Amino acid sequence: DAGVIQSPRHEVTEMGQEVTLRCKPISGHNSLFWYRQTMMRGLELLIYFNNNVPIDDSGMPEDRFSAKMPNASFSTLKIQPSEPRDSAVYFCASSLEASMNTEAFFGQGTRLTVV
Amino acid sequence: TQLLEQSPQFLSIQEGENLTVYCNSSSVFSSLQWYRQEPGEGPVLLVTVVTGGEVKKLKRLTFQFGDARKDSSLHITAAQPGDTGLYLCAGGTYNQGGKLIFGQGTELSVKP
Repeated sequence: DAGVIQSPRHEVTEMGQEVTLRCKPISGHNSLFWYRQTMMRGLELLIYFNNNVPIDDSGMPEDRFSAKMPNASFSTLKIQPSEPRDSAVYFCASSLEASMNTEAFFGQGTRLTVV
Repeated sequence: TQLLEQSPQFLSIQEGENLTVYCNSSSVFSSLQWYRQEPGEGPVLLVTVVTGGEVKKLKRLTFQFGDARKDSSLHITAAQPGDTGLYLCAGGTYNQGGKLIFGQGTELSVKP
């Protein structure tokens, strides 16, 4: 398996524009997580899905952020409108199940810069 | 709110030295994971510890979970340049599914 695949790897956009980040989890994994990493706040969980259903979105910063998982092999994280403070590296991760002991496999991340 | 504090934040040592990284919390966790992250990549799992007092070894790396399951440590013996990277601890609780709380990380640099 190729692992968790994220696209794009880098995104530069202007403030106010819509940004869509994409993720393809590892085949057979039932859980998918979206994280954001910054120097100031470290790695933060934004939202996670189990069997395509959002389970916990308490980490989503505000209504400008939304995430979907229309099927088991694809998820998107959308920011509309984007702001400079959204600049960060966004990671998608997947695991076999949503268990505290299960290994999370991370993608390479999308580095987002909002100018 | 559950928080994990890692120390030190930055560590620069010479090849061959030993080091210890700490991960502390005031909350009890059901499990503690350690990840390593290289520049431009996502974190990769090194180990999971679930029992208070548990010690796991991975070659030159030794991981320990505190007796009260509130803290953990990572000890590296005879560090090598290949150990350079960001080390992250992450705590999980059994009633929160796959939700992990990550520490801020320890940036380790091992110079040859």
